[in-house]
Amino acid sequence: EAGVTQFPSHSVIEKGQTVTLRCDPISGHDNLYWYRRVMGKEIKFLLHFVKESKQDESGMPNNRFLAERTGGTYSTLKVQPAELEDSGVYFCASSKGRRGEKQYFGPGTRLTVT
Amino acid sequence: DAKTTQPPSMDCAEGRAANLPCNHSTISGNEYVYWYRQIHSQGPQYIIHGLKNNETNEMASLIITEDRKSSTLILPHATLRDTAVYYCIVRVVTDKLIFGTGTRLQVFP
Repeated sequence: EAGVTQFPSHSVIEKGQTVTLRCDPISGHDNLYWYRRVMGKEIKFLLHFVKESKQDESGMPNNRFLAERTGGTYSTLKVQPAELEDSGVYFCASSKGRRGEKQYFGPGTRLTVT
Repeated sequence: DAKTTQPPSMDCAEGRAANLPCNHSTISGNEYVYWYRQIHSQGPQYIIHGLKNNETNEMASLIITEDRKSSTLILPHATLRDTAVYYCIVRVVTDKLIFGTGTRLQVFP
């Protein structure tokens, strides 16, 4: 069974540019989560999809971040325009439909904004 | 904020058991205790979880005190590849994981 995949693995962009991160969850997993770790801080929750619906987006830092999951399969996280403080590692995780199920994490996308 | 307290670091000799403690004194009755680890900069990896009973799987054992205010993750025979940051997480109803600072476990030869 393929795990959670994320693309790209690394991205270096200039301040003010736009970047789109992609996450492909494990097949059949209804739940998809985005987390990030910035500048040596703790891993923080961003948002949670159940299929194509946003279940919880309380962790999204501001309106420069837009997450989508059209069709309930893969998800994208767009940062527009990127700021220096957005640098960090963005993780995606997925889990099956049952509440309380364990989350499987992808390898992350390392974003550097210069 | 994280609802758990863990020591910042621990050492363990290879082949010995690693016992990682966690305090979660404000845990609610329907909240589970989860353990994840992060090796280098990889994505967090699920280890084990439990509600009130002790649990064991192929990776580790989880011992939860009767009052559920603390727990211990046990890696029975630590190897160098177990060197990682270990996170004890109390799972909130909304399903998101709230990570704290974790315990950095160093396994030495």
